[in-house]
Amino acid sequence: AQKITQTQPGMFVQEKEAVTLDCTYDTSDQSYGLFWYKQPSSGEMIFLIYQGSYDEQNATEGRYSLNFQKARKSANLVISASQLGDSAMYFCAMREGLGVTGGGNKLTFGTGTQLKVEL
Amino acid sequence: EADIYQTPRYLVIGTGKKITLECSQTMGHDKMYWYQQDPGMELHLIHYSYGVNSTEKGDLSSESTVSRIRTEHFPLTLESARPSHTSQYLCASTRQYNSPLHFGNGTRLTVT
Repeated sequence: AQKITQTQPGMFVQEKEAVTLDCTYDTSDQSYGLFWYKQPSSGEMIFLIYQGSYDEQNATEGRYSLNFQKARKSANLVISASQLGDSAMYFCAMREGLGVTGGGNKLTFGTGTQLKVEL
Repeated sequence: EADIYQTPRYLVIGTGKKITLECSQTMGHDKMYWYQQDPGMELHLIHYSYGVNSTEKGDLSSESTVSRIRTEHFPLTLESARPSHTSQYLCASTRQYNSPLHFGNGTRLTVT
């Protein structure tokens, strides 16, 4: 089974509108972290936001917020007031077994969502 | 601001050549990673290291090898490049388990 599932290969949004990018995950660990990254066409990976499994409040970073629903195992990224510069590929990722040494510190990535912001 | 550097940025090389992709970070991070990514696709972990003299294979089998002789340096080597190795290679590092990975700009490798 996929550990990270992003079901939207591509999304379009109008400038200044909000958009939600979906992410569901699968883990049996109690302690894990969820990350969102942005990858522009230039190829670099830019960290956007982090949510720990024990965090009670949804993470927010400027125009980015994470809609964390633990029981549903979903961690959707919400981008408010979209800008043309938000056009990029967005990846959801998970790190399982936080605090455990050895193999538990790797990030597993989803397949990504290509977001296009239009005028 | 992350300080992790990859060279070269682009590399076109013929089949059978030996190549080394360089990755260095100045943040003193113990944990370093190599990911492989085909265009528009997900990232796959191919190697990681938890510190000097520690290297492990990742989830995706790779013919490449890595070394970690110094904390700041984590080079990846292909002994004999093949067209199937054509991809983008991303190096990353982190200090703590709940901290984000800091990525380099990547090396886009083309093997002809």
